[in-house]
This record gives sequence, structure tokens and C-alpha cells, in this order.
Amino acid sequence: GAGVSQSPRYKVAKRGQDVALRCDPISGHVSLFWYQQALGQGPEFLTYFQNEAQLDKSGLPSDRFFAERPEGSVSTLKIQRTQQEDSAVYLCASSSRRSANTGELFFGEGSRLTVL
Amino acid sequence: GQQLNQSPQSMFIQEGEDVSMNCTSSSIFNTWLWYKQDPGEGPVLLIALYKAGELTSNGRLTAQFGITRKDSFLNISASIPSDVGIYFCAGLTSGTYKYIFGTGTRLKVLA
Repeated sequence: GAGVSQSPRYKVAKRGQDVALRCDPISGHVSLFWYQQALGQGPEFLTYFQNEAQLDKSGLPSDRFFAERPEGSVSTLKIQRTQQEDSAVYLCASSSRRSANTGELFFGEGSRLTVL
Repeated sequence: GQQLNQSPQSMFIQEGEDVSMNCTSSSIFNTWLWYKQDPGEGPVLLIALYKAGELTSNGRLTAQFGITRKDSFLNISASIPSDVGIYFCAGLTSGTYKYIFGTGTRLKVLA
């Protein structure tokens, strides 16, 4: 597609529910990132994929967070047993560059998760 | 998590005025990106900088990669109401892919 597409745009979950957030990156982009943005803050890194390989998941806040990109294209971020502190906007970004130290990130519109 | 320090945190300016903001880090970066984010939207890339001392323009926007490689600056000339939003810097250390974002500068333009 023309840009990074994320769904759902908005998700309300009851505490303890599982949620799945989808990201469809720009076609052909090798690198895919998930960021978490709390209200009034800048985005914070969660995890990084190069094709289907998850090369860094150091930013995932707990083992309740899980991300996958099985075919090197669409990615899903799953949060199990959601807690109120998980409420945030989850941003997906993709980049065409393979190399680690260059490349511009292009973001989707984000999925806003509210946990009640 | 780690976030870069952006200054000012927020600013009100009159339409037509020039705006300056900066981003500082304790680490050396080899890439700086500047983004604008509107409410309810994802960040939109404005300018990318790859070399210390580099000065790059995009319309009314000009950004500079600081000589020390620990800071970057964004200037907006002749501001207009649609410049309202939050501006984020993001830095990348050589050999990594984890962009670190700033805390944001909230810009409000008074017509």
C-alpha cells in the first residue's frame, strides 16, 4: 500500500482481555518497528523485525507482550491479560533500509488502546 | 525508557513568526530525524540528517545536525496556523537501529 496501515485504530479492552494489533507496512519494506506512545510522551521502542526475524525485542515491557511477522510482511502485536498501564498508542513504522545505521522510519496512524 | 531532551516543551507564537527548537542527547548519534505529529495521527517525517554539521531544508523548515553529534535544531520560518502540532526529534546511534525519540515540543500558533 501507499503507507503504513494499522488496525484497529481504536480498541477498548477490559482488564485481563487479550488484544491483537495489526500492522501492514509499506510494500517491500524490510524493516518493521513497533513503538509505544504514552499520553504526552514521545514514542518508545518496543521491538524490531528485519523481514520475518525479530532481531530486537528488548523494549517489550513484559512477557505479556508478543510480536510476530511470520511472512516478513504483516506484523501483529499481541498483548495478553491487558492491564491499565498498557493503555497507550501503539505505533508501527517501516523502513526500506536493511542496514542498521541509516534509514528513515515511516509511521502508521497508530492503534489507540484503552484498558478499563 | 530513554528519551531525548527537547526544548522548549511548548510554545505559543504569533502567525508569521519564526520558531526554533532543539534536541539534545548525552549520546553521539549518526542520524537525526524530525517528525511532526497531529492529534490522533502518527508522526510524519519532516527532515532527515545524516552528517555532522549538515543543514537541510524542506520548504519553510530547516534542520541542522549539531557539530558535536549530540544535538540537532529545527527552525520554522514564517509560521502558519497549520504548523500547530507536536514536533519530535529522533536519534540513531551508529551500528544500531533503535531510534530514540525526544519528549516533544508542542507548538501553538496564534492567528
